[in-house]
Amino acid sequence: GAGVSQSPSNKVTEKGKDVELRCDPISGHTALYWYRQSLGQGLEFLIYFQGNSAPDKSGLPSDRFSAERTGGSVSTLTIQRTQQEDSAVYLCASSLATVGNTIYFGEGSWLTVV
Amino acid sequence: KQEVTQIPAALSVPEGENLVLNCSFTDSAIYNLQWFRQDPGKGLTSLLLIQSSQREQTSGRLNASLDKSSGRSTLYIAASQPGDSATYLCAVGNDYKLSFGAGTTVTVRA
Repeated sequence: GAGVSQSPSNKVTEKGKDVELRCDPISGHTALYWYRQSLGQGLEFLIYFQGNSAPDKSGLPSDRFSAERTGGSVSTLTIQRTQQEDSAVYLCASSLATVGNTIYFGEGSWLTVV
Repeated sequence: KQEVTQIPAALSVPEGENLVLNCSFTDSAIYNLQWFRQDPGKGLTSLLLIQSSQREQTSGRLNASLDKSSGRSTLYIAASQPGDSATYLCAVGNDYKLSFGAGTTVTVRA
């Protein structure tokens, strides 16, 4: 597609449920990133993929968070046993290589845990 | 750890006035600096990317400068318009990771 596509755009889930957030990067972009934007806080880095491998998972907040990327394209961020503090906007981004190139962000997945 | 600060946090100007947004960072060992725009309820739109070897970048009414040694960048928006109202975010790139400032929320009054 023309831009980074994320789904769902909005998700309301009950505490304790699992959620999956999907990201479809710009075609040909080898680098893919997940960031989180919480109310009143800045954007925080979660994870980075180069191809299908994730050299840096250091930003994942807890072991309830995991992410994978398949075929060097689509990525899924999974949050298990959601908690209210997981409520945030989850932003996916992609670039041709690493940060040396312009990074393009999707519209985000707005997650609300009730 | 890289710390990025943006001043002011909010700015309200009449249409036509020039905008000056400031960004400072603590670790000068950066690859690049990127300015983004975020509209309410939307993702981030890249405005300008300055590589660490560059001192400025220009696109239309936008000009961004970078002084890596002092850890500062400034985004200038000339002749502001109501459509420029948004939150502007500065992000410093260290290899693959971006460190973001909290943003400056700009309101341009018609």
